[in-house]
Formats: sequence, C-alpha cells, structure tokens
Amino acid sequence: GAVVSQHPSWVICKSGTSVKIECRSLDFQATTMFWYRQFPKQSLMLMATSNEGSKATYEQGVEKDKFLINHASLTLSTLTVTSAHPEDSSFYICSASEGPRTGELFFGEGSRLTVL
Amino acid sequence: DAKTTQPNSMESNEEEPVHLPCNHSTISGTDYIHWYRQLPSQGPEYVIHGLTSNVNNRMASLAIAEDRKSSTLILHRATLRDAAVYYCILSPQAAGNKLTFGGGTRVLVKP
Repeated sequence: GAVVSQHPSWVICKSGTSVKIECRSLDFQATTMFWYRQFPKQSLMLMATSNEGSKATYEQGVEKDKFLINHASLTLSTLTVTSAHPEDSSFYICSASEGPRTGELFFGEGSRLTVL
Repeated sequence: DAKTTQPNSMESNEEEPVHLPCNHSTISGTDYIHWYRQLPSQGPEYVIHGLTSNVNNRMASLAIAEDRKSSTLILHRATLRDAAVYYCILSPQAAGNKLTFGGGTRVLVKP
C-alpha cells in the first residue's frame, strides 16, 4: 500500500525555538494532506488541511501563525511549530490521499515533539 | 458533522471474533462510515469503509444496519497484534478525505 513518511519521528527542543516536521508521500502524489495532533490518552485532533500550491485551511482554534504549514510539492508538506512552548508538546501526525475522495487515507508514523 | 458513539474499551480473547459497535443515529445519506485503528505510538491505519452495503476485506468485515444508524466492525479472529484503538468515523461526501476522529474503542486482546 501507499506509504506516508514523517520526519523526524521524535524531537526535543528548547522553549522558544521553532521545529519543522516533514510529511512525505513516498509512492504517490498527494494534492491534499492533513495535520493532526494528539495528546496522551486522547484522540486525534485535526489541525489543518494542507493543499498543494495554496494556503492551508486551519480548523477553528488553531493558530495559523503558530503552526505554519507549507505544501510546496505534491509529495511534501511541512508543519513548523514556531516559538514552541511546553504546552505544544504532543504527537503530530499527518495523512495524505491520492485523490479527492479515495476512501482510504494513509497516515504517517507520527512525530513526537517534546518542548523543554 | 454527524457524531459517532463507541464503547470506551472492549476485551477479547486471542483467536476469538471481536464485534465493535458504533452508533451514528444522525448519519446523513451521503456520509461514509470509516474505520481506522491506531496501535500504540503509531499513526492510524485504514481498516475498512462503506456506505450502505456490508463490506469485507482481508482485515475485517463491516456490517451496516439497514437504517444506517449503527454499524459493527468485525475482526474474525483476534490476534495480539489487533490490540489498538479503533475509530469509527463518519465522513460526509462533501468533506473529501477530511476525517474527524472521536474517542474510539480501546481493544485489549488477551492471550
């Protein structure tokens, strides 16, 4: 099946720094990617929809200046957590699909961010 | 968006079938029913999806009630590797591939 890869799988950073997480579709072109965050023992929360070549669409309550999303190519979307703080520590997960509605979304392995 | 209701947790014995219920009484006619599962410290994994008819694949079966207000995911023979959180998600046709996750059911498989 199709593969979506995230990098890094885990990262530790100091408070106030910015961290970039990459999401790549390895064997298909993804016009749309989605970013989620997940706190311990909670469900996934959709943060934003990343559209190739255009601005991301953010869910209500998600700060677009805090979580910068770039989808520069059909195989790569990046999430940058700017001026990270301990409350941003979470498991960030991306997903991608091959077309507008294929029925099956492919998820990355997740990236665990710890902000000290 | 229509919501789903799932039990918080279920236990099963290895090699036995597991029936995971999902209630979605406010489902609309164009809502697809999706099931994903998430193993510990991993991203979710697609299991199955359907609209009106029952569906089978190599991982599981999806039984959809005639009125579509509920569905059941069936794992035919649970293995230890099936221990995960299973999410039942409704996806409106207009939403494309955008999925909104609810609480899910944590499945524990006992040897």
